[in-house]
Amino acid sequence: DTAVSQTPKYLVTQMGNDKSIKCEQNLGHDTMYWYKQDSKKFLKIMFSYNNKELIINETVPNRFSPKSPDKAHLNLHINSLELGDSAVYFCASSQEGVRNEQFFGPGTRLTVL
Amino acid sequence: SQQGEEDPQALSIQEGENATMNCSYKTSINNLQWYRQNSGRGLVHLILIRSNEREKHSGRLRVTLDTSKKSSSLLITASRAADTASYFCATDGYKLSFGAGTTVTVRA
Repeated sequence: DTAVSQTPKYLVTQMGNDKSIKCEQNLGHDTMYWYKQDSKKFLKIMFSYNNKELIINETVPNRFSPKSPDKAHLNLHINSLELGDSAVYFCASSQEGVRNEQFFGPGTRLTVL
Repeated sequence: SQQGEEDPQALSIQEGENATMNCSYKTSINNLQWYRQNSGRGLVHLILIRSNEREKHSGRLRVTLDTSKKSSSLLITASRAADTASYFCATDGYKLSFGAGTTVTVRA
């Protein structure tokens, strides 16, 4: 049973398109995250939700919009994709916030052409 | 800027040798975590050490924490080919801040 799953694993799209990445966790955690990892492996948090409430919103272009329909799901929608959005996006979850162990999904490699 | 910074950036060792990597950070922490990332995969949590702990062990892993120097080290003993991965330290605050990682290659 996969603890944190993401779909799709790979996403190749043209500049200007809109795309979504979905994430689900079956760990019963109350906090979920989206991270972006660039080509140099820097991992940067984008958003975090706790019990469906947005608690972290880093300096991310408003073309990126997270949505948490329930505690177990956190989706990421990206409008008007740009070349610089190419990266690997990771979803993660934890119990009771950032101070505890985080469980990561396998990542979605987004390539914008 | 990243809160945690790992050193060295890359490390190549022979199977059976020990691997040591360091992490330095800038602000006070409640805990520090180490993660491993195999190529093309998500991060996997290895160990969490609290600010009032100095050393922690988990299997072949040994983590130390020196809050006075704002630094931590991760030691992998008797390395195996399967230990080939990138290793990240992460410090807490309102968010978890990751360093750029140490890429470890274990040669057979």
